[in-house]
Amino acid sequence: EDKVVQSPLSLVVHEGDTVTLNCSYEVTNFRSLLWYKQEKKAPTFLFMLTSSGIEKKSGRLSSILDKKELSSILNITATQTGDSAIYLCAGTFMNYGGATNKLIFGTGTLLAVQP
Amino acid sequence: DAMVIQNPRYQVTQFGKPVTLSCSQTLNHNVMYWYQQKSSQAPKLLFHYYDKDFNNEADTPDNFQSRRPNTSFCFLDIRSPGLGDAAMYLCATSIRATNEKLFFGSGTQLSVL
Repeated sequence: EDKVVQSPLSLVVHEGDTVTLNCSYEVTNFRSLLWYKQEKKAPTFLFMLTSSGIEKKSGRLSSILDKKELSSILNITATQTGDSAIYLCAGTFMNYGGATNKLIFGTGTLLAVQP
Repeated sequence: DAMVIQNPRYQVTQFGKPVTLSCSQTLNHNVMYWYQQKSSQAPKLLFHYYDKDFNNEADTPDNFQSRRPNTSFCFLDIRSPGLGDAAMYLCATSIRATNEKLFFGSGTQLSVL
């Protein structure tokens, strides 16, 4: 059965700290891995990773995929209280008709950034 | 701004009383999805529409139905809600079936009394 596992389940840090969130996957015919940020509203898209070893950056956030280890990390540097959220990781897979749009989500990491 | 809008934000229903959740989009995307997210659990895909083609997940209970009368709107009908159906229901869209980047609505938090 395809699954995505995230760790840690929750994390409390202070402003200015750097955090690393982990995501591992077991997805048959893996295609891509996505990261979303979920606050008290809609999950918002952060990154989509398809190639191993290529870092994607957006401001203080960065992410990289390791297909050999079947994992990805999301780094946040100089954390701010506004980074407090649930960070969701999701995997997608190829089917006979091409890429699928079915996202297999992990349970998320709850990040709390204290002032 | 183009977006995915879900109404209502919070919905309370009674055990066994049918309820409908609404989703609309101004993105003109072909695909619309309904996810169920229970507390401390991963979002789980219930079904999706590619244009008017309905795709049900194998493990989605028959109690859950969906309608998509046009490109912009999609509805989730729960025919006889049980206590176990209390959850956040997330609507999402994507440009096409092979595009994994989903745009989510703010969700409807359903409570069943």
